[in-house]
Parts: sequence; structure tokens; C-alpha cells
Amino acid sequence: NAGVTQTPKFRILKIGQSMTLQCTQDMNHNYMYWYRQDPGMGLKLIYYSVGAGITDKGEVPNGYNVSRSTTEDFPLRLELAAPSQTSVYFCASRIIPGSSYTIYFGEGSWLTVV
Amino acid sequence: KNQVEQSPQSLIILEGKNCTLQCNYTVSPFSNLRWYKQDTGRGPVSLTIMTFSENTKSNGRYTATLDADTKQSSLHITASQLSDSASYICVVSAKNRDDKIIFGKGTRLHILP
Repeated sequence: NAGVTQTPKFRILKIGQSMTLQCTQDMNHNYMYWYRQDPGMGLKLIYYSVGAGITDKGEVPNGYNVSRSTTEDFPLRLELAAPSQTSVYFCASRIIPGSSYTIYFGEGSWLTVV
Repeated sequence: KNQVEQSPQSLIILEGKNCTLQCNYTVSPFSNLRWYKQDTGRGPVSLTIMTFSENTKSNGRYTATLDADTKQSSLHITASQLSDSASYICVVSAKNRDDKIIFGKGTRLHILP
């Protein structure tokens, strides 16, 4: 298993541009998440999905959109990039909840908006 | 308000020494607490998971404790190695809430040779 795979690893965007961060997992996990991590801060939830066709907003969803057409893929779209979206983005997944589940993270995507 | 507070913010110790990292939380209702290790430039990797009924869990040189009454957890690292240099993140989940996974800001650990 490759686990959770994110692309791209690094990206520089100009203000107002749009882009999609790709995330795919091969563990047949139902739950998938997108987080952002700012320097010195804990991970903040952007969007999450409990299964194909179902998405919900997290703590900081403004400026982002997601879709979940398949169990494997959970792309995150930035429509009009702003400097405040400069951050490290992590995709994560886990199985249907039990109390001892493990959340698996991707390697992160470093995004800079200039 | 659901919060996870970690201390210290950063820690420097010599290789071979032990250390203990702290985590206090106010997440309710409590489901589980996890410790993650995050190497620089990498995603977090799970170290331990503890539910309400568990008060200690080990993973090699890492031992986590949980006091659900006082809502405190600690991560003890024994005989530290240079590869232990990383951020250690405490993560607390609320019961029956898919989105309520609260991350601490982490403790940055530096191991010096």
C-alpha cells in the first residue's frame, strides 16, 4: 500500500490563481480530511468526508472547495488564491470509526501565494 | 471550548537522556488521545492511541500515559536518539463527532549529540 499520496509537494501561486491539491489513498478508508498547518500552530480542519459523495466543512473552510466522487480521491480546490492561504496542507484518512483508529497522513503540500 | 495544550513548546536534551512531554486537554466528550511524531518536512506519524480505559501505552522507547480524570497525558521518551528530533503532537478526539479531532500545537524536541 502506498498509503495517502498528495500532489504537488510544492507550489507557488499568484494571488487570484486557482489550483487543485490532489489526494488519494489506497487503504479503502471511508473518512478523509484536509488540514492546514501554519507555523507554530496546530493542524486546522478545512473539510472532511465520511464517504464518497459526502463532504462537510471543518473549522476553516473559507476559500476552499472539495469533492469526493470516489472512495480513493479527495481533491482540495483553491479558487482565488490569497496570501492567507500560504500554508502546509495535509490530507489524511482513516477507517470507519472505532475508538482506536489510526489517522494516516500524507507527506504534505507546501503552498506559497505571492 | 475544546482545547489541547502542550508543554513545553520546545525542548533541547542530550542524546541518551530521557524526557517527558505534557498534554492537557478539555475536549469533551472524550473518545481517544493520540501522540504523533512529525519530522521536519513530513506528515505526522502515529505513535500511540489511548482510549478512556487505558492509562499507559508503549511503542518501543515511547511510553504514553493518560489520566482521564485530570485530562492529562504525557509522552516519555527513553534513551533519546538523534532521530527523535521532531515535533510531537498530542491529538484528542471527541466521541461521536467526525470533525472534532483537536490538535495541539506540538512540542519541538531537539536532540544534541
